Amino acid sequence: QQQVKQSPQSLIVQKGGISIINCAYENTAFDYFPWYQQFPGKGPALLIAIRPDVSEKKEGRFTISFNKSAKQFSLHIMDSQPGDSATYFCAASSSGAGSYQLTFGKGTKLSVIP
Amino acid sequence: DAGITQSPRHKVTETGTPVTLRCHQTENHRYMYWYRQDPGHGLRLIHYSYGVKDTDKGEVSDGYSVSRSKTEDFLLTLESATSSQTSVYFCAISDRRGTETQYFGPGTRLLVL
Repeated sequence: QQQVKQSPQSLIVQKGGISIINCAYENTAFDYFPWYQQFPGKGPALLIAIRPDVSEKKEGRFTISFNKSAKQFSLHIMDSQPGDSATYFCAASSSGAGSYQLTFGKGTKLSVIP
Repeated sequence: DAGITQSPRHKVTETGTPVTLRCHQTENHRYMYWYRQDPGHGLRLIHYSYGVKDTDKGEVSDGYSVSRSKTEDFLLTLESATSSQTSVYFCAISDRRGTETQYFGPGTRLLVL
């Protein structure tokens, strides 16, 4: 059972455009939602994260929007640049006792074309 | 890569042979994780450790074992490698219980022939 569903699998955006990646979760115990960025040949690295007490978090050109009632969250990349071309993973976890795992989505490969 | 090294970085082996991958950290983080990454599957947790000699299974633990005898080292062993274990393996560390940032190593690319 996939607990975090991510879409689209791949995305092509023009330079300067907005990239939007969506994730949906099922487990209402999830209370931490990070996004990881991975470049080819490298390990994933934390990009931005949100907790459900806020509906939006912005860091530079990257924004997470969170909809608790719909159990959905999304990553928006404003003014997308070729250097943003990478694979993006959403993830979720619970801070409940005995919980140690991040559950990842399957990833979105973003290509930003000049 | 946040003071995390993985060895070897690349390995080719034959079906049925044992393989051990090593993760070494210099951050003194309590929690360590092994993931495998496959196209179309994202990152899946194999095993994790919440302290020296304290380990538990993740989502895809069959065919894998782990050991952690020191804070800085977390070993992943494939007792008898199969072609389905061809993958890229990532080690991650965290100083908090799974809900905080996990720092990933550079990965080990394993090919089982």
